Amino acid sequence: AQSVAQPEDQVNVAEGNPLTVKCTYSVSGNPYLFWYVQYPNRGLQFLLKYITGDNLVKGSYGFEAEFNKSQTSFHLKKPSALVSDSALYFCAVIPGGAGSYQLTFGKGTKLSVIP
Amino acid sequence: DSGVTQTPKHLITATGQRVTLRCSPRSGDLSVYWYQQSLDQGLQFLIHYYNGEERAKGNILERFSAQQFPDLHSELNLSSLELGDSALYFCASSALRGATDTQYFGPGTRLTVL
Repeated sequence: AQSVAQPEDQVNVAEGNPLTVKCTYSVSGNPYLFWYVQYPNRGLQFLLKYITGDNLVKGSYGFEAEFNKSQTSFHLKKPSALVSDSALYFCAVIPGGAGSYQLTFGKGTKLSVIP
Repeated sequence: DSGVTQTPKHLITATGQRVTLRCSPRSGDLSVYWYQQSLDQGLQFLIHYYNGEERAKGNILERFSAQQFPDLHSELNLSSLELGDSALYFCASSALRGATDTQYFGPGTRLTVL
């Protein structure tokens, strides 16, 4: 069965500094990987996804993520953090070719950007 | 705004009762997914419908059931409610049923069982 690990429950970063939110996955076969963000009392907003091709994926609001097959990782990054980026971030996976279309989520990482 | 709507936003009910949560997918989307978000279990997949047919079931209790109607809206029915059913229930939709299709989430329904 597939799984996603987000090893940090919370990440604190100063405004203007680069941020990284970590994600590792376990699936058989090729993974389809997703990042979502959840603001308080809101639904999940799609940020970006990796399906195939270039390992560096660019998404919404200046976020990007790098797929690393050897390390089974898909870390979310942003060069310069904004206070408005403070939210809960979820990494998710769908195992490619398995006929499965549901997202398996990590437990989430709370990002706090300090002014 | 994802284009996915869910009603009601909040629902407070008592143990043993039955409730219905409603989801309208984005215009043109054929797939609807239901997820449950709770503090102890995190985000978990419940069920997937594609163009009116059930396609996959996840960790959905037998007390829970769902439907997708001809106009593609979906309803999640929760019965014999227990305190542990209190959670945020999300609906998501995608264009087709491919694993590469992006799922867009609604704002959720917060269910509180007293």
